[in-house]
Amino acid sequence: NAGVTQTPKFRVLKTGQSMTLLCAQDMNHEYMYWYRQDPGMGLRLIHYSVGEGTTAKGEVPDGYNVSRLKKQNFLLGLESAAPSQTSVYFCASSSLRSADTQYFGPGTRLTVL
Amino acid sequence: AQSVTQLDSHVSVSEGTPVLLRCNYSSSYSPSLFWYVQHPNKGLQLLLKYTSAATLVKGINGFEAEFKKSETSFHLTKPSAHMSDAAEYFCVVEGGGFKTIFGAGTRLFVKA
Repeated sequence: NAGVTQTPKFRVLKTGQSMTLLCAQDMNHEYMYWYRQDPGMGLRLIHYSVGEGTTAKGEVPDGYNVSRLKKQNFLLGLESAAPSQTSVYFCASSSLRSADTQYFGPGTRLTVL
Repeated sequence: AQSVTQLDSHVSVSEGTPVLLRCNYSSSYSPSLFWYVQHPNKGLQLLLKYTSAATLVKGINGFEAEFKKSETSFHLTKPSAHMSDAAEYFCVVEGGGFKTIFGAGTRLFVKA
């Protein structure tokens, strides 16, 4: 039981490049989330999903897109990366029964030059 | 609107001494409150959560937190710090409607 996994662990991009971060969970959770973590600011919600095929905007959605084609996967895309998107990105998931208890992945450290 | 404030950005204690990490919240109703721990280069791990069942909540690794509505506080404590407790701790309020609000974090240093 791997829990929540994220791919890749590290990535360096140049401004304007695109990339996709993959999150996978094997707990059959309905809800999935993408956060970014910046120094002194805690975590901020980018997008979330309440089920396969559905997504919604969080607190800081601009510059990101997401997709949830399969229940176990939640993808975060950056179409044209900017230095302001340099951050650590965390994926999380939670169950329908205990939606307020989130399980986090190990994070992806992204640097945009 | 909900908000959460962690009163200390850094706390330093000696091994074997008590730990106190302070958190104040603001909410228009009785919220769900959480403490998460993040060890270096790791994801966040749930320490404990409060959901109105009992005001004193016990978590993992000897941590506990007390919900005080009159003070709008949810401070995290541990009687005796261990070196392995050195990490960053986040106080979190569940604002409803997928509004999960994280505090800025408190980094705990434990001296030998």
